Amino acid sequence: QSVLTQPPSVSGAPGQRVTISCTGSRFNIGAAYDVHWYQQLPGAAPKLLIYGNSNRPSGVPDRFSGSKSGTSASLAITGLQAEDDADYYCQSYDSRLRGVVFGGGTKLTVL
Amino acid sequence: EVQLLESGGGLVQPGGSLRLSCAASGFTFSTYALSWVRQAPGKGLDWVSVISGSGGSTNYADSVKGRFTISRDNSKNMLYLQVKSLRAEDAALYYCVKGFCGGDCPSDDAFDIWGQGTMVAVSS
Repeated sequence: QSVLTQPPSVSGAPGQRVTISCTGSRFNIGAAYDVHWYQQLPGAAPKLLIYGNSNRPSGVPDRFSGSKSGTSASLAITGLQAEDDADYYCQSYDSRLRGVVFGGGTKLTVL
Repeated sequence: EVQLLESGGGLVQPGGSLRLSCAASGFTFSTYALSWVRQAPGKGLDWVSVISGSGGSTNYADSVKGRFTISRDNSKNMLYLQVKSLRAEDAALYYCVKGFCGGDCPSDDAFDIWGQGTMVAVSS
């Protein structure tokens, strides 16, 4: 069981908006540690999508956005496209475990 | 272009050992912390270990503490992971990853560059 909880799957039609939640605790997200998001396409290595809760690296479309509140964070994807079909992971740091923690991952299916 | 290229994976018997390597290029190697993150087949991401840019500070996941050792050679732009006493649950694709922040970085730093991974299989 992952320290950060994500829904196993979400889906949406092309053009729609979806959100993926990442729920932690007072030892990680709630302790003001940053949350980062990664996209993993089938057969590929993960790619940094959002860093520092809400910042996009160069080259990431503004269709992707991140937010954080309390002990949770969210990734929103607007204007869904077929190429967004992938696994998404959140990441933070846990002060009780004294290490980096990942969410269990969410499979996004573009219908 | 920033690149990380892992090698050294293979099939090992339970209790066996391996040394994973990661060759880095395209950035000032000694400035950045590096980590190992693994992914078992069909499973999620699992952080393993981190080493600071100087190599003077390391940290490990509880699941590998005492069995795995992370190290780096800044003169060769190389990262290593010595894995010992391997268990079935250690079988995974091991990624070498670069910290986003250079210099004195917080513990919650992101990983901005990932290698393609090297596979470790554990079976008798």
